[in-house]
Amino acid sequence: SYELTQPLSVSVALGQTARITCGGNNIGSKNVHWYQQKPGQAPVLVIYRDSNRPSGIPERFSGSNSGNTATLTISRAQAGDEADYYCQVWDSSTWVFGGGTKLTVL
Amino acid sequence: EVQLVESGGVVVQPGGSLRLSCAASGFTFDDYAMHWVRQAPGKGLEWVSLISWDGGSTYYADSVKGRFTISRDNSKNSLYLQMNSLRAEDTALYYCAKDIEAYCGGDCPLDAFDIWGQGTMVTVSS
Repeated sequence: SYELTQPLSVSVALGQTARITCGGNNIGSKNVHWYQQKPGQAPVLVIYRDSNRPSGIPERFSGSNSGNTATLTISRAQAGDEADYYCQVWDSSTWVFGGGTKLTVL
Repeated sequence: EVQLVESGGVVVQPGGSLRLSCAASGFTFDDYAMHWVRQAPGKGLEWVSLISWDGGSTYYADSVKGRFTISRDNSKNSLYLQMNSLRAEDTALYYCAKDIEAYCGGDCPLDAFDIWGQGTMVTVSS
């Protein structure tokens, strides 16, 4: 089965840029979606199809995907961006989520 | 307002059965594929099942295949998950979620999940 690998945690200073990676075999050939989940809340879609932002998601959120790594980039990080982030792909008739990355804004 | 509201979560004994429901409003329910996703306490997201917009196709995670059945009643704007032979490892918060694009027949890698409910908790314990 296909596996997605995310770092357990990422830290970023307030106002700086955070990058959260999602590794998978030839993931660049797949469509990657990203979700944000704050404590006690349902997930929220922040990036779909590698680099598209749903309406209402700030431009500070962007995505890229190439080779074996997809990346979610959060520019000018704010305290409100502290959350768990999950990547997701479709493979062999199943949806696969990464293990999640906890983003801490210092 | 687009909304999904799950219900039916309870404490159930191992080997028992349970049916979850998800009530949809604010969008044309029968145009969209729907999903169940679960999250065990303190753990990450795990996709459970998908049903196409017309109910003609269903997909399951290996961990629930043969035990869970997804269905929908478009006349009632409702999604269901019938859960049989429940195990302790099925303990989780169960979310329903909506496809971002209409008319997905199932194999739609472009389609993320754009709307999620707040979840209903299922606890499997004796």
